[in-house]
Amino acid sequence: GAVVSQHPSWVICKSGTSVKIECRSLDFQATTMFWYRQFPKQSLMLMATSNEGSKATYEQGVEKDKFLINHASLTLSTLTVTSAHPEDSSFYICSARGVSGNTIYFGEGSWLTVV
Amino acid sequence: DQQVKQNSPSLSVQEGRISILNCDYTNSMFDYFLWYKKYPAEGPTFLISISSIKDKNEDGRFTVFLNKSAKHLSLHIVPSQPGDSAVYFCAASASQGGSEKLVFGKGMKLTVNP
Repeated sequence: GAVVSQHPSWVICKSGTSVKIECRSLDFQATTMFWYRQFPKQSLMLMATSNEGSKATYEQGVEKDKFLINHASLTLSTLTVTSAHPEDSSFYICSARGVSGNTIYFGEGSWLTVV
Repeated sequence: DQQVKQNSPSLSVQEGRISILNCDYTNSMFDYFLWYKKYPAEGPTFLISISSIKDKNEDGRFTVFLNKSAKHLSLHIVPSQPGDSAVYFCAASASQGGSEKLVFGKGMKLTVNP
């Protein structure tokens, strides 16, 4: 099946700094990528939808200036958590959908811990 | 308003028996449904999907049934294996052209006992 890779898998950063998470589709072109956040024992919460070459669409309640999403190519989207705070500590997951087909494939997820 | 509901938080079955995971939805615009399996600290893994034009889709040990009139779908795993122990998410999307978003249920933890 299609492969979506996230990097880094684990990251610890100091409060006030910014951290970037990459999401790559390895064997297909992803016209649309999605970023999710998951809190412990809770479902996946969609943060934003990004289409290649255009601005991301953010879900209600998600600060677009804090969670910067860039989808510069058909195989790469990045999520930058700016001025991170401990409450931003979470499991962030990206997913991607190819040009054809309805199935969305997920990355392995990235654990962010802000200290 | 929760559009996709997995009302049972957990299920425990014996190895070799059937596991039935249920999912209900409220949005009649949903026309594509997926099941994902997730281990702790990992991203979800796609299992199986079904379009609203079908009522059954089978892939190996996994079968998904869709009852549109009841807005209900279920995932059957038979025979269940200990390696199937994970959290299973039901997801749905509505084709609007462009960026279809997945709406997830809260997940159900399946434990398959040896």
